[in-house]
Amino acid sequence: EAQVTQNPRYLITVTGKKLTVTCSQNMNHEYMSWYRQDPGLGLRQIYYSMNVEVTDKGDVPEGYKVSRKEKRNFPLILESPSPNQTSLYFCASSLGLAGAFTYNEQFFGPGTRLTVL
Amino acid sequence: AQTVTQSQPEMSVQEAETVTLSCTYDTSENNYYLFWYKQPPSRQMILVIRQEAYKQQNATENRFSVNFQKAAKSFSLKISDSQLGDTAMYFCAFMRGNAGNMLTFGGGTRLMVKP
Repeated sequence: EAQVTQNPRYLITVTGKKLTVTCSQNMNHEYMSWYRQDPGLGLRQIYYSMNVEVTDKGDVPEGYKVSRKEKRNFPLILESPSPNQTSLYFCASSLGLAGAFTYNEQFFGPGTRLTVL
Repeated sequence: AQTVTQSQPEMSVQEAETVTLSCTYDTSENNYYLFWYKQPPSRQMILVIRQEAYKQQNATENRFSVNFQKAAKSFSLKISDSQLGDTAMYFCAFMRGNAGNMLTFGGGTRLMVKP
């Protein structure tokens, strides 16, 4: 089954304790990205990757790191989590970039609920 | 930068009736895509409908249709014959063409379908 998976689905941690949220897709997609969802703000992009070893910042990258060593995986790293990073996190992937007249659907993972105490 | 605004934080509708969710956006781009996503209590993000800006015809997917007004930068979603399973958070989203795949989302509208 074609899908984007995330682990863990739920995580409660304490301030300053490094954590990694994994994201994996089995569709051979080139593009992957991370979003966070907060009430009233919708989803905002944190980081994205257009291919292996190519990553770039989205709108809210502060406090996060990513890596893309393999095409299928795109982990999100919080080196020193803080309470303002308590949020719902989504990984998404798509086959390629949208052109002027072509579009590839983005597939979202199931979400990771993170609480930082 | 693009912005997307959903002015209705919450709405409700009776089962079998029709409801319209509003969305406005701001952009100086000419090539872009607009989307409505549904997020049920399971939190999964589900694409409901997509509209290409270069297409004048409004998109339709079964009971879901949009009213795309490019000059007014308005993109509303109409749900006909509402069903209990339509209860969810709905997000309007914008994506520039030829400029990466970043989706810019509105704040969402929580829709409750009442029996």
